[in-house]
Amino acid sequence: DTGVSQDPRHKITKRGQNVTFRCDPISEHNRLYWYRQTLGQGPEFLTYFQNEAQLEKSRLLSDRFSAERPKGSFSTLEIQRTEQGDSAMYLCASRSGRTSEAEQFFGPGTRLTVL
Amino acid sequence: GESVGLHLPTLSVQEGDNSIINCAYSNSASDYFIWYKQESGKGPQFIIDIRSNMDKRQGQRVTVLLNKTVKHLSLQIAATQPGDSAVYFCAEIPGSSYKLIFGSGTRLLVRP
Repeated sequence: DTGVSQDPRHKITKRGQNVTFRCDPISEHNRLYWYRQTLGQGPEFLTYFQNEAQLEKSRLLSDRFSAERPKGSFSTLEIQRTEQGDSAMYLCASRSGRTSEAEQFFGPGTRLTVL
Repeated sequence: GESVGLHLPTLSVQEGDNSIINCAYSNSASDYFIWYKQESGKGPQFIIDIRSNMDKRQGQRVTVLLNKTVKHLSLQIAATQPGDSAVYFCAEIPGSSYKLIFGSGTRLLVRP
């Protein structure tokens, strides 16, 4: 257990529905990342927060995706009008500003299945 | 473009032997090269990193080698144990970025 928690661990939804995932980073970590991972592939970067500011977004993050970190602590990732191609594991990671960018602490992920 | 790839999808080794996992990268401007381990049902776990101005770094039972001439990264695990069974990803951080760019992974199987 890295100390990063994600909720829910599994989500099954029908195409067209909206879903929201939550990430609680390690408490003193002010950097927070979202990644998406499909079966057999490495995680793909989605977005990055430093405190409450969203500093970087991937081209993968279409208009249907939005992420927030309103108080610089927990973060949410919302997917609107889900599509079958959104089925994946959504991973959250965090790190302290005092450590290397290389060492990110990952949560267990939320597995999304879109029917 | 930015890409990190791996030579072999699966590596099977005998318990106690040394393992070598290889990776090729294409972005010469990356500052860091990193190895992560992912066990089934868990998120990736940091193993070791190496800065672009180094060619070797050692950790506990692991060594990472960086060959910038041929853009090659390797992870050596000494005395491989059953607990080392996992998928291993190489990753890089491009200069002036914060994100990890992962390759597709190598599955390490340790035979008893």
